[in-house]
Amino acid sequence: TQLLEQSPQFLSIQEGENLTVYCNSSSVFSSLQWYRQEPGEGPVLLVTVVTGGEVKKLKRLTFQFGDARKDSSLHITAAQPGDTGLYLCAREAQAGTALIFGKGTTLSVSS
Amino acid sequence: EAGVAQSPRYKIIEKRQSVAFWCNPISGHATLYWYQQILGQGPKLLIQFQNNGVVDDSQLPKDRFSAERLKGVDSTLKIQPAKLEDSAVYLCASSLVWLAGENEQFFGPGTRLTVL
Repeated sequence: TQLLEQSPQFLSIQEGENLTVYCNSSSVFSSLQWYRQEPGEGPVLLVTVVTGGEVKKLKRLTFQFGDARKDSSLHITAAQPGDTGLYLCAREAQAGTALIFGKGTTLSVSS
Repeated sequence: EAGVAQSPRYKIIEKRQSVAFWCNPISGHATLYWYQQILGQGPKLLIQFQNNGVVDDSQLPKDRFSAERLKGVDSTLKIQPAKLEDSAVYLCASSLVWLAGENEQFFGPGTRLTVL
């Protein structure tokens, strides 16, 4: 199957803490996308990773694609309340088609 | 640039009633998607259009769900009759290109449907 497993499912932390969320699959995927979804809104693309071992940074967010392209992680440094939301990883079902999403990690950052 | 527009934002109906959702994608985006997001889960594709043709509707419950994209722009998704398990957020998304690895999808705010 092409399921994406995300962990942890829920994460509640204090402002300033660091955290890492994970996205794993038993299959190799050609690319992986990370989205953030805030309550009452649709998901917004954060990053697309394509190359095995690739690391991309977006301000305090660091995204890593596993060497074997079966897993990915998102690390947030010094979390802020504005980081609160649902973090989703997604891959294309087939090349150029719709996305298959994981169940997401719900992050709550309190001040 | 205007984003993906959806209406209504919220809808409450009783089971066995019908309901329709509307989506206006970003101008020029040829590909349009409808996703269903049940609470606590990620979005799941219902149907994908390329212009006004259906690319993938394999996960659309065709006995009760229907969708159309006349003229390759706006789209409507209909449920008739609704069941309790249809309670979810219905997300519309669009993308400019349909190429592997470049499939950035832009999502609307969704319609939250509650079936009582």
